[in-house]
Amino acid sequence: EVQLVETGGSLVHPGGSLRLSCAASGFAVRGSYMTWVRQAPGKGLEWVSTIDSSDVTYYAGSVRGRFTISRDNSKGTVSLQMNSLRDEDTAMYYCVRDDYGSGSDWGQGTLVTVSS
Amino acid sequence: DIQMTQSPSSVSASVGDTVTITCRPSQGISNWLAWYQQKPGKAPKLLIYATSNLHSGVPSRFSGSGSGTYFSLTISGLQPEDSATYYCQQTNSFPWTFGQGTKVEI
Repeated sequence: EVQLVETGGSLVHPGGSLRLSCAASGFAVRGSYMTWVRQAPGKGLEWVSTIDSSDVTYYAGSVRGRFTISRDNSKGTVSLQMNSLRDEDTAMYYCVRDDYGSGSDWGQGTLVTVSS
Repeated sequence: DIQMTQSPSSVSASVGDTVTITCRPSQGISNWLAWYQQKPGKAPKLLIYATSNLHSGVPSRFSGSGSGTYFSLTISGLQPEDSATYYCQQTNSFPWTFGQGTKVEI
């Protein structure tokens, strides 16, 4: 059974940094497309970043240059390093496994709150 | 960026009704379209991938169709548990983008 568990969300001040981690089980992170999607309170879904099967990374314009996605194949984890955080980065962050061009499996989410 | 225009933004229907939600990309996306269901306080769940393929375990009352710049999700024989918000997503090209969501009330 595929399982994704996100950790690392917390309250952080504007300009601060945070690292989210996603522990995957039930499949090999190596060679998988893995994505982070976020959802601001009361709002819709927003794609944030994807790392593809060749470790090429992609970012939404709103986070490019501030966020970095990476994976550790030996640990079966995917991470999202978030720097220079802004109020508008406040959201639930979901780790997603992509298959057949879609988010086939989602974690339960980890909440990031950016506030002074 | 490809904009995804989803409609309606909300719909109210009765048990047994058929509901259709549409998604119009601002440019062609081949068949790289997925549909998700999200209930309050929960993570989204995949319903349909590649336009018309039912994800494992999803009831057959859900169906998807379309191509190019017009796609739709149909729920036939609406059930109380289908009350949720539904999102479309294109994965034809980065940045991947979602529709704004359709709230289905029963």
